[in-house]
Amino acid sequence: GIQVEQSPPDLILQEGANSTLRCNFSDSVNNLQWFHQNPWGQLINLFYIPSGTKQNGRLSATTVATERYSLLYISSSQTTDSGVYFCAVEPTGRRALTFGSGTRLQVQP
Amino acid sequence: DSGVTQTPKHLITATGQRVTLRCSPRSGDLSVYWYQQSLDQGLQFLIHYYNGEERAKGNILERFSAQQFPDLHSELNLSSLELGDSALYFCASSVRETFYEQYFGPGTRLTVT
Repeated sequence: GIQVEQSPPDLILQEGANSTLRCNFSDSVNNLQWFHQNPWGQLINLFYIPSGTKQNGRLSATTVATERYSLLYISSSQTTDSGVYFCAVEPTGRRALTFGSGTRLQVQP
Repeated sequence: DSGVTQTPKHLITATGQRVTLRCSPRSGDLSVYWYQQSLDQGLQFLIHYYNGEERAKGNILERFSAQQFPDLHSELNLSSLELGDSALYFCASSVRETFYEQYFGPGTRLTVT
């Protein structure tokens, strides 16, 4: 099946810093999504981005489907950005989501 | 609060037993998705229902089954439980038939002893 690799696995930032999280996938996809799981376990859908660039406040995401990667940018990070960020893909021809192992982000005040 | 409710919040049971997890989607949402999150396997998609019909199947074991009822709530049945089934089980809902714009419930933590 499709492989989804996220990097880095762990990231510690000071408040106000910027960061880039990466998601590589091994095959063509119809759909790519980014999710955030806060320290209390709540999952939130951040972006649906099979290709192109989207922005939502301090967060933006870019997917280059032809090169099989996606990037999540977090600018001016805040402590509330802490948690785990997951990338998930829906492979072409298969209706199922495969998740990466996540990037654990800790933003320190 | 996402508007998606899951019951129970916690469940402790023994190996070999059977449990049922319940999910009520947001008002108006026709899709329900089930996910499993464990330390060993990470986050995994299990199954998707749309308006009562199964739409997609992921890494769901044969010991597990799900259904979506006419009032759109869904149940995930886990049988012949094993220690490795201990995990957080999330459901999510969406107005769409695809995986787009899902809203997640708080999860049910299952502990199998």
